[in-house]
Amino acid sequence: KNEVEQSPQNLTAQEGEFITINCSYSVGISALHWLQQHPGGGIVSLFMLSSGKKKHGRLIATINIQEKHSSLHITASHPRDSAVYICAVERGDTDKLIFGTGTRLQVFP
Amino acid sequence: KAGVTQTPRYLIKTRGQQVTLSCSPISGHRSVSWYQQTPGQGLQFLFEYFSETQRNKGNFPGRFSGRQFSNSRSEMNVSTLELGDSALYLCASSFHPTGGNTEAFFGQGTRLTVV
Repeated sequence: KNEVEQSPQNLTAQEGEFITINCSYSVGISALHWLQQHPGGGIVSLFMLSSGKKKHGRLIATINIQEKHSSLHITASHPRDSAVYICAVERGDTDKLIFGTGTRLQVFP
Repeated sequence: KAGVTQTPRYLIKTRGQQVTLSCSPISGHRSVSWYQQTPGQGLQFLFEYFSETQRNKGNFPGRFSGRQFSNSRSEMNVSTLELGDSALYLCASSFHPTGGNTEAFFGQGTRLTVV
């Protein structure tokens, strides 16, 4: 079983829809990252969380340390949000980053 | 401020050869981490360097090695290339080491194809 699980694996939405991507992990962590990867490979760091909630524009990330769960929300989705979203956790014991398998999001106009 | 720069962007090598990839971190960042991304395994941690010292290492064979220079630039080397080494190799830099509540900034990656 993967130490970091993401759901769904694939997601399609119409422009304007509210989107939620989930991440569950089974190890103790010091922080959790949400990353965005566009075709071509480059990765952009969206959020780094160790507790609570963060907001940046139309993106919101939350984390529940007790439940070992994080969510990434996109409000008023837009076709330019189409990308792969990856959850990664920093293991508290080794400081190594472990990645989820990613969620491929496609937003249609 | 320039971002993380990886060179080259694309590379084609034959089995048995060796390859060196380069990563220049954001100015002032002393931590550089390397990752391998393949369709089958996803993103996997290779190693992390901080202030010229390897701080952490993933589960990869000894053919994969790296180093960091005094200007924080890092190189990774893969010897005796195998077809399965074909992947996107990404590096990320941060001010503090991983675990230090520090945001990581990724480069565009080097796409290595082994034929």
